[in-house]
Amino acid sequence: AQSVSQHNHHVILSEAASLELGCNYSYGGTVNLFWYVQYPGQHLQLLLKYFSGDPLVKGIKGFEAEFIKSKFSFNLRKPSVQWSDTAEYFCAVNQPYSSASKIIFGSGTRLSIRP
Amino acid sequence: NAGVTQTPKFRVLKTGQSMTLLCAQDMNHEYMYWYRQDPGMGLRLIHYSVGEGTTAKGEVPDGYNVSRLKKQNFLLGLESAAPSQTSVYFCASSYSRGGSESNQPQHFGDGTRLSIL
Repeated sequence: AQSVSQHNHHVILSEAASLELGCNYSYGGTVNLFWYVQYPGQHLQLLLKYFSGDPLVKGIKGFEAEFIKSKFSFNLRKPSVQWSDTAEYFCAVNQPYSSASKIIFGSGTRLSIRP
Repeated sequence: NAGVTQTPKFRVLKTGQSMTLLCAQDMNHEYMYWYRQDPGMGLRLIHYSVGEGTTAKGEVPDGYNVSRLKKQNFLLGLESAAPSQTSVYFCASSYSRGGSESNQPQHFGDGTRLSIL
């Protein structure tokens, strides 16, 4: 069965620091990969997605993620974080062409930015 | 643009009571999903639907039932609420007709915070 691992449960950074959140998945076949963000008290919003092509994906708000197939990883990065990036970040994977388009979510990483 | 709308936003129930959470989407999406979100566990899929009149079990279906009588609505029912069902419930929808279009991301509602005493 597919699974998604986010090993960092809580990350605390100062403003302007660089960010990298880890995400590893277990499925060996073709996958689609997503990062979602959930700001305090709000619903999940799509940050970026990878389907195929260039493994370096640009998302909204200056975020990017790199798909490394050999490492089964899809880490999220941002060169310089802002206080407004305080949120919970979820990595997710689904299997294309599956019968249900179900997405498996990681347990999330809470990001706290010190002003 | 309403997107995905969940009602109610908050509810407190006593153990053994029943209730129904409503999810409505106005994007003509085929697929709809119900998740629960618990601290440290991310989102777990309860039930999902691939189209009007169809439902299927997800990762944690026990204690819940669902119905998809209309394409735009997906109802989640708790027949006899238990404290373990205290959680935040999110509904989501996605546009998919299979094939490469199963790549489509999900659109989420604002969530329903449910407390069972």
